[in-house]
Amino acid sequence: GNSVTQMEGPVTLSEEAFLTINCTYTATGYPSLFWYVQYPGEGLQLLLKATKADDKGSNKGFEATYRKETTSFHLEKGSVQVSDSAVYFCALSSWEYGNKLVFGAGTILRVKS
Amino acid sequence: GAVVSQHPSRVICKSGTSVKIECRSLDFQATTMFWYRQFPKQSLMLMATSNEGSKATYEQGVEKDKFLINHASLTLSTLTVTSAHPEDSSFYICSARVTNTEAFFGQGTRLTVV
Repeated sequence: GNSVTQMEGPVTLSEEAFLTINCTYTATGYPSLFWYVQYPGEGLQLLLKATKADDKGSNKGFEATYRKETTSFHLEKGSVQVSDSAVYFCALSSWEYGNKLVFGAGTILRVKS
Repeated sequence: GAVVSQHPSRVICKSGTSVKIECRSLDFQATTMFWYRQFPKQSLMLMATSNEGSKATYEQGVEKDKFLINHASLTLSTLTVTSAHPEDSSFYICSARVTNTEAFFGQGTRLTVV
């Protein structure tokens, strides 16, 4: 079945450091890939998405490229801020699986000033 | 983007009582909504898919008589936790699908059963 694997956290960085959160997936067919962010006590917000191979999703300085050859969708940001501290979830959905979102375990990011 | 409103954001109830959580799509019609449960420091577990005008589809291991889902209109789905017990305490989140590739989430409901 479909599954998503993310790097374990927490990830602790200093402000302005470079961020990478790894995400790999297993899926049948051609899934769409997503990154969601969850701030403390809140629901999830869509951060970015990519719907086909080689697409790059970007938003608020975050980027992720859909790599079919490595089944990966790593999240990157060149310079993190304290306000980026949150939990980040990688997810996928595919038509073959009823378009249900399948989430990774989540990665806690802590940014220190 | 589309807005999904979930109510209440927090609820405390006594063991044995029932609690209803509402999920509304405010500026769009959602034929399909999803209910998730999130345990502390864990990922989201899909509980069920709610389809307007029909019965919900529950994931394996989720008790449908325990977690009643009603999707009476294109903008409202409700989750009722019946005869709640402390082990039902959790963070419940709904989402509404806008297209086949995009879903928007409510802000979540923290349920505490005492």
